[in-house]
Amino acid sequence: EIVLTQSPGTLSLSPGERATLSCRASQTVSSRYFAWYQQKPGQAPRLLIYDASSRATGIPDRFSGSGSGTDFTLTISRLEPEDFAVYYCQQYGSSRYTFGQGTKVDIK
Amino acid sequence: QVQLVESGGGVVQPGRSLRLSCAASGFTFSNYPMNWVRQTPGKGLEWVAVISYDGSNGYYADSVKGRFTISRDNSKNTMYLQMNSLRTEDTAVFYCTRDREAGRYYYGSGYGMDVWGQGTTVTVSS
Repeated sequence: EIVLTQSPGTLSLSPGERATLSCRASQTVSSRYFAWYQQKPGQAPRLLIYDASSRATGIPDRFSGSGSGTDFTLTISRLEPEDFAVYYCQQYGSSRYTFGQGTKVDIK
Repeated sequence: QVQLVESGGGVVQPGRSLRLSCAASGFTFSNYPMNWVRQTPGKGLEWVAVISYDGSNGYYADSVKGRFTISRDNSKNTMYLQMNSLRTEDTAVFYCTRDREAGRYYYGSGYGMDVWGQGTTVTVSS
């Protein structure tokens, strides 16, 4: 099973700042099978990025994804108040999905 | 409006069974692979199972294999998760999700989950 490790565990930033979240895989992952999700308290996760770098429907362009192989990054160019949430990476391989443990972006 | 609504959660004793349902609307249900994903405070998000668009194939996380069974009734636009031999560590919020890509994928599309239900809570406790 491919293990995804996200860093940092918590990122404390102010509105308007840039957020950079990392996800490292224990084995090479196909970019076509890599995604990022956002989850706010009391809500289900929401798909942000698929294919490592494609924004899902309705996702603002301040969110961008990059990376390949074992290292992937989610960047939020300028944090808006509604962006403070938990972010998860996800990969798909061998007929199953695995998730990272999450990065919490909170207000500094 | 594309929507998934889970039901069937509750409190159950260890070793007992429970069946979850996921009712889909607003899209052609029979075209999409579907999943169950669960979430606990301690372990975060965990994928549980996927079922192919036609119900002919299902795959499971090792943690539930042999105890849980995923199924679907495309005539009713509904997916199910039969959970047997429940353990305390199965306590979680269970979400049903849609694979982003429609098509004839027998093992899930792998291209992300673009629709999630609101979740149903399962508590396994004596």
